Amino acid sequence: AQSVTQLGSHVSVSEGALVLLRCNYSSSVPPYLFWYVQYPNQGLQLLLKYTTGATLVKGINGFEAEFKKSETSFHLTKPSAHMSDAAEYFCAVSVESNFGNEKLTFGTGTRLTIIP
Amino acid sequence: NAGVTQTPKFQVLKTGQSMTLQCAQDMNHNSMYWYRQDPGMGLRLIYYSASEGTTDKGEVPNGYNVSRLNKREFSLRLESAAPSQTSVYFCASSRRTQYFGPGTRLLVL
Repeated sequence: AQSVTQLGSHVSVSEGALVLLRCNYSSSVPPYLFWYVQYPNQGLQLLLKYTTGATLVKGINGFEAEFKKSETSFHLTKPSAHMSDAAEYFCAVSVESNFGNEKLTFGTGTRLTIIP
Repeated sequence: NAGVTQTPKFQVLKTGQSMTLQCAQDMNHNSMYWYRQDPGMGLRLIYYSASEGTTDKGEVPNGYNVSRLNKREFSLRLESAAPSQTSVYFCASSRRTQYFGPGTRLLVL
């Protein structure tokens, strides 16, 4: 079974500062890793994903994440925060399935606040 | 493409009432899922359907039933609603990556 830990349920950064949201995972087999963003009163939107290949993954809105197997981490970063980045961010893990139904295990989320 | 759609957007029920949450996807995905989202708990899987005609329990199935009506539609039924089922419910569909609907906010009084 896999699990996800997101360190910090709330993170505040100043506009223009670096955004770093932490995610550590546990999986007995090679994982697929995802970051989703949820804006208020909306569903989850895929930011980026890692399946295989290049360990630095670029996503939408200037976000990127690096898969580090040795650290079992998949931290999300953005060089310069924008007010529109204020949202809740979820890290999730799944494993490849022969049945095609890759069930996701989610972290508990990190609420990002941007300080003007 | 509408993606994943859910109805209703918001519902208030009294304890003991029943209701069905509807979900449809137009991406020709085989797999569909129902989650509930509660503060501080992330998303928890209620039921999923790997393909038309199959359904399986997830992490928190008690008090819910599902029907995979066809490849497009996957419904979630609460037979006798309880206040503990007050939550936001999300449907998703996937082929390797899950795509989510906008959610249904349910309040059980």
